[in-house]
Amino acid sequence: EAGVAQSPRYKIIEKRQSVAFWCNPISGHATLYWYQQILGQGPKLLIQFQNNGVVDDSQLPKDRFSAERLKGVDSTLKIQPAKLEDSAVYLCASSLGRAGEAFFGQGTRLTVV
Amino acid sequence: DAKTTQPTSMDCAEGRAANLPCNHSTISGNEYVYWYRQIHSQGPQYIIHGLKNNETNEMASLIITEDRKSSTLILPHATLRDTAVYYCIVRPLNVNNAGNMLTFGGGTRLMVKP
Repeated sequence: EAGVAQSPRYKIIEKRQSVAFWCNPISGHATLYWYQQILGQGPKLLIQFQNNGVVDDSQLPKDRFSAERLKGVDSTLKIQPAKLEDSAVYLCASSLGRAGEAFFGQGTRLTVV
Repeated sequence: DAKTTQPTSMDCAEGRAANLPCNHSTISGNEYVYWYRQIHSQGPQYIIHGLKNNETNEMASLIITEDRKSSTLILPHATLRDTAVYYCIVRPLNVNNAGNMLTFGGGTRLMVKP
């Protein structure tokens, strides 16, 4: 079974630039999560989708971050404009339902300089 | 905020059992205890979960105290590949409730040594 796919694996941008991350969840998984993991800390949930609807985005900095999940499958997370403190690993995870075991991708490591 | 307390780091000798403790004294009746681990440069990986009974699978055993205020993850024969950060998470499983995401704390950094 293919796992959660994320791209790119690494990204370096200058502050104030824009960046987008892509996630392809496991086939059939209705729930999709985006997490931010700053070095030395545990992952922090940014947004949770159920199919193509948002379940929870309370911790998403909406002035600069946006996410969408068109057609309830793939998802993109965008940062515009980026700040130095956005340097982190962005993890995508998916599960069959809200209560299911979550499977994580390898993440995208973002460095903002 | 995470509702669990774990030691920051632990060491274990290769081949010995690794016992990772977790305190969750404010756990509610509808909350499960989940364990994930994160190997360097990888995403978190599910290990095991339980409600009140002890659980065992091919990776580990989970022992939950009778009052459910603490638990222990046991890796029976630790190998070098078990070196990772281990996260203990309490999670409600009301499937109609939006608040059932995984909330990670700082975890325990387990170092398995030869």
